Amino acid sequence: GEDVEQSLFLSVREGDSSVINCTYTDSSSTYLYWYKQEPGAGLQLLTYIFSNMDMKQDQRLTVLLNKKDKHLSLRIADTQTGDSAIYFCAESPSGGYNKLIFGAGTRLAVHP
Amino acid sequence: DSGVTQTPKHLITATGQRVTLRCSPRSGDLSVYWYQQSLDQGLQFLIHYYNGEERAKGNILERFSAQQFPDLHSELNLSSLELGDSALYFCASSVEEVGGTDTQYFGPGTRLTVL
Repeated sequence: GEDVEQSLFLSVREGDSSVINCTYTDSSSTYLYWYKQEPGAGLQLLTYIFSNMDMKQDQRLTVLLNKKDKHLSLRIADTQTGDSAIYFCAESPSGGYNKLIFGAGTRLAVHP
Repeated sequence: DSGVTQTPKHLITATGQRVTLRCSPRSGDLSVYWYQQSLDQGLQFLIHYYNGEERAKGNILERFSAQQFPDLHSELNLSSLELGDSALYFCASSVEEVGGTDTQYFGPGTRLTVL
């Protein structure tokens, strides 16, 4: 079946690194995505990773993919208060005509 | 700003009524997707249109329908509204690259409140 799971809440201190974890079920997913949602706003695409990659780095963001365990993580270096938001992991199952299956979202709270 | 626009931003209506949500995709994007975000169901895929044709359906109720017009904008029609239809409705668009990622860019959403 199609299911994406994330922990619901993460609290970090400003300046520390944040790691948000996600597990997915469809091993045929070609691309996996991270989106950010700030209060009252839409979904902002942060980054994505192709399934044949292990890691992708984009400025303060690092995505790690363990395809064997179907585990995806998003690391935010030097976390700032502006990073406080809900982070969604999403997979695009093969044969699903590009629909996205989202996790429940991880609420990241950054405190001084 | 993703380039995807949605109107209206907020909509308040009563049970039993019908509403229409509108979405304009990014310039050049042929695909439009609709998603519903609610507290109990999370983000759920509703329907996908590509260049005017319905491509895939997800968890979309029979009371809901959508279409994509020749100018590529899309409308989501919700009828016989119930309290449980209160949610944030997102539209996303993509260019649909063959052999590449079909990255979806989301609009700001329409918040529907059914009283």
